[in-house]
Amino acid sequence: AQKVTQAQTEISVVEKEDVTLDCVYETRDTTYYLFWYKQPPSGELVFLIRRNSFDEQNEISGRYSWNFQKSTSSFNFTITASQVVDSAVYFCALSEALDLAAGNKLTFGGGTRVLVKP
Amino acid sequence: DGGITQSPKYLFRKEGQNVTLSCEQNLNHDAMYWYRQDPGQGLRLIYYSQIVNDFQKGDIAEGYSVSREKKESFPLTVTSAQKNPTAFYLCASSVGLAGGETQYFGPGTRLLVL
Repeated sequence: AQKVTQAQTEISVVEKEDVTLDCVYETRDTTYYLFWYKQPPSGELVFLIRRNSFDEQNEISGRYSWNFQKSTSSFNFTITASQVVDSAVYFCALSEALDLAAGNKLTFGGGTRVLVKP
Repeated sequence: DGGITQSPKYLFRKEGQNVTLSCEQNLNHDAMYWYRQDPGQGLRLIYYSQIVNDFQKGDIAEGYSVSREKKESFPLTVTSAQKNPTAFYLCASSVGLAGGETQYFGPGTRLLVL
């Protein structure tokens, strides 16, 4: 069965510090997809990134970067030079592509709350 | 402006009452989903639908029902059989139901029991 673990429940940083969110996953599929979502205080989940299991290239988007390592089953997320607007709960999620019965089910981690203080 | 709308933003339920949460999307997506989020936890899948008039149970479907009469709409009914309905409910949609399709979420409905 698939599982996603976000061991850090809450991280507090001062503005301009870097913060890294850990995500470890378990799956028996060879083809799968990993996602990160941001949930600001308003509640809506905002899509940040989608990565398939065959693409281990790290990705950078502005102040956001992602480090995917299949060898350790991890898909970590770093916010560089954090800002107060980055304060939110961040979720890592997994979708198994080959399990047709699963119907694109997303398995979510428990989330990491990031608090950026001015 | 394409997106997903959910209403109401807050909903109060009395004991023994059924309540219906609305979800509408204008993204022309085929697949739609309902998730439940409890405080401090991740999301859990209630129901999902790939096409009109077809839907499947997720991990926690007991006490809930859905319909999909139109492509754009996927309402969720929380029945009186759901003994612990207080939660934040999120609707999502994706282009299709293939594994790995990105799901986009609505703003959510917070359900409280009086």
